[in-house]
Amino acid sequence: DADVTQTPRNRITKTGKRIMLECSQTKGHDRMYWYRQDPGLGLRLIYYSFDVKDINKGEISDGYSVSRQAQAKFSLSLESAIPNQTALYFCATSDAGQINQPQHFGDGTRLSIL
Amino acid sequence: AQSVTQPDIHITVSEGASLELRCNYSYGATPYLFWYVQSPGQGLQLLLKYFSGDTLVQGIKGFEAEFKRSQSSFNLRKPSVHWSDAAEYFCAVNTGGFKTIFGAGTRLFVKA
Repeated sequence: DADVTQTPRNRITKTGKRIMLECSQTKGHDRMYWYRQDPGLGLRLIYYSFDVKDINKGEISDGYSVSRQAQAKFSLSLESAIPNQTALYFCATSDAGQINQPQHFGDGTRLSIL
Repeated sequence: AQSVTQPDIHITVSEGASLELRCNYSYGATPYLFWYVQSPGQGLQLLLKYFSGDTLVQGIKGFEAEFKRSQSSFNLRKPSVHWSDAAEYFCAVNTGGFKTIFGAGTRLFVKA
């Protein structure tokens, strides 16, 4: 089983709909992240969480919200989806035990908003 | 502000040929440096990392990278490319805080 699991893997929806992307991990990491990937732009950080009670905005948080339900679960919501939120979304985790540990990624959710 | 530049959007090499993917960063001190690979339909996987010490680091799948402080570069190399290396490669920088900055990526095509 994957260490970082994202659901769904693919989603097509309409403008204005509420969408939730879910992420769960079995690595026991405290730190979790949500990124979006767009062609030619690399990965951009949406939100990150260092523990269940700690949620922080990244560089492109507008239009998104998150929930850290447990150490292992971190969900990303689009309250009212718009077409320019069409992208590939990744959840990642990292170990807080040592500084600057590499991140471990899920396989991504491909989201299309019509 | 810190930044990462991967000058090549895509590169095509023949199978068996050598490979070098370029990465330049902008930061006043020595950052923590990473290379990740993304195969189609998958997330990013760590290839190698540099924190300190020997400036030539070895990674998985036969990849290596060299940190050159004077050039602010961290180029990825492989002596002989295999068809399975076709993927997108991301250089990333962490400057000591919570945030990792990713380059825009270089897509590698391998021709037979």
